[in-house]
Amino acid sequence: AQKVTQAQTEISVVEKEDVTLDCVYETRDTTYYLFWYKQPPSGELVFLIRRNSFDEQNEISGRYSWNFQKSTSSFNFTITASQVVDSAVYFCALSVPGGSNYKLTFGKGTLLTVNP
Amino acid sequence: KAGVTQTPRYLIKTRGQQVTLSCSPISGHRSVSWYQQTPGQGLQFLFEYFSETQRNKGNFPGRFSGRQFSNSRSEMNVSTLELGDSALYLCASSPPGQTISGANVLTFGAGSRLTVL
Repeated sequence: AQKVTQAQTEISVVEKEDVTLDCVYETRDTTYYLFWYKQPPSGELVFLIRRNSFDEQNEISGRYSWNFQKSTSSFNFTITASQVVDSAVYFCALSVPGGSNYKLTFGKGTLLTVNP
Repeated sequence: KAGVTQTPRYLIKTRGQQVTLSCSPISGHRSVSWYQQTPGQGLQFLFEYFSETQRNKGNFPGRFSGRQFSNSRSEMNVSTLELGDSALYLCASSPPGQTISGANVLTFGAGSRLTVL
């Protein structure tokens, strides 16, 4: 069975601070995919990034960066110079091949509040 | 390009009633998945449909059911509603062409928020 743990339930920062959201996953599969989604107050989940288990390169997209470490089963997400618009719930998710190709196992989410 | 559309956005029902939620996927997407989001359990997979066939189902009682039509639109139904069914129900669609199993990105709708009184 797969499991995703986001230990940080809520994080509050002041605008322009850097913030890291932690994600730890569990799976016995050697091939898997990791995702981050953002859920703003409007409700829909917005895709941010996908990573496969064979690609441990870190990725940077603007103010967003992701650190994937298989040795610690972690896939952490950092927002640099946070902005008020970054306030949302962020979910880390895991998918493995087999069964339904579109079943995601989500963490419980981290509520990020960026204060002006 | 229109996104995933869910209707209704909000609804209130009483215990024992039944409810039907609708989801229109992105044009060209043939896979539709449903998730239930509650404060206690988080996001949980309900089921997934592809070409009118249910391919996988989560651990929910038989009161939860769904279907998909030939135009890929999907509905989910919850019968004999319980208080614990109050949740945000999210629908997601995914494009065809499963080049890599498990890798497809889901596009979510804004959800249908169900309140059971």
